[in-house]
Amino acid sequence: KQEVTQIPAALSVPEGENLVLNCSFTDSAIYNLQWFRQDPGKGLTSLLLIQSSQREQTSGRLNASLDKSSGRSTLYIAASQPGDSATYLCAVRNSGNTPLVFGKGTRLSVIA
Amino acid sequence: NAGVTQTPKFRILKIGQSMTLQCAQDMNHNYMYWYRQDPGMGLKLIYYSVGAGITDKGEVPNGYNVSRSTTEDFPLRLELAAPSQTSVYFCASSPGTGTEKLFFGSGTQLSVL
Repeated sequence: KQEVTQIPAALSVPEGENLVLNCSFTDSAIYNLQWFRQDPGKGLTSLLLIQSSQREQTSGRLNASLDKSSGRSTLYIAASQPGDSATYLCAVRNSGNTPLVFGKGTRLSVIA
Repeated sequence: NAGVTQTPKFRILKIGQSMTLQCAQDMNHNYMYWYRQDPGMGLKLIYYSVGAGITDKGEVPNGYNVSRSTTEDFPLRLELAAPSQTSVYFCASSPGTGTEKLFFGSGTQLSVL
């Protein structure tokens, strides 16, 4: 059974810092991996989707990497801003017709 | 674009009552999902559908039922509500066979007292 772990559970950084959020998964035979952002009281917004054949995806100040063999993904946020404060969730899919398995998320606070 | 629309946003139920959470999407997506999110926890899949007339159980289906009579709508029914069903419920959709991003609704916060 696939399990997804995100460490740390919470992170607080000063504005302007570069930071890395971690995601690990137990079954490396994944189909794809997504990073989501969740603001308090809101639904999830998909940030980046990495296929199993890809090593990384970039969108603006966000860069997500994938190392299938070690069962890890990282989300790199450059030059953090207070508006980046949210919970970030990682989710993996094991095959094309199986649902996503989510981690519990990392709650990020960027202090001005 | 409306995207994925969930109603109601908040609801309080008494133990034993029943209700239906509504979910509609206007993106012509094949796949639709119902998740629940408990405080400090990740999302757990309740039911999903790969198209109209086809539904399947997820990780935590007990106490819930779904139907998918149209591509647009995927209602979730709670029968005989229990305090353990107090949670935030999210509906999501995706266009294809699993390679695409998921689009989420804004959630329904349900309390069973």
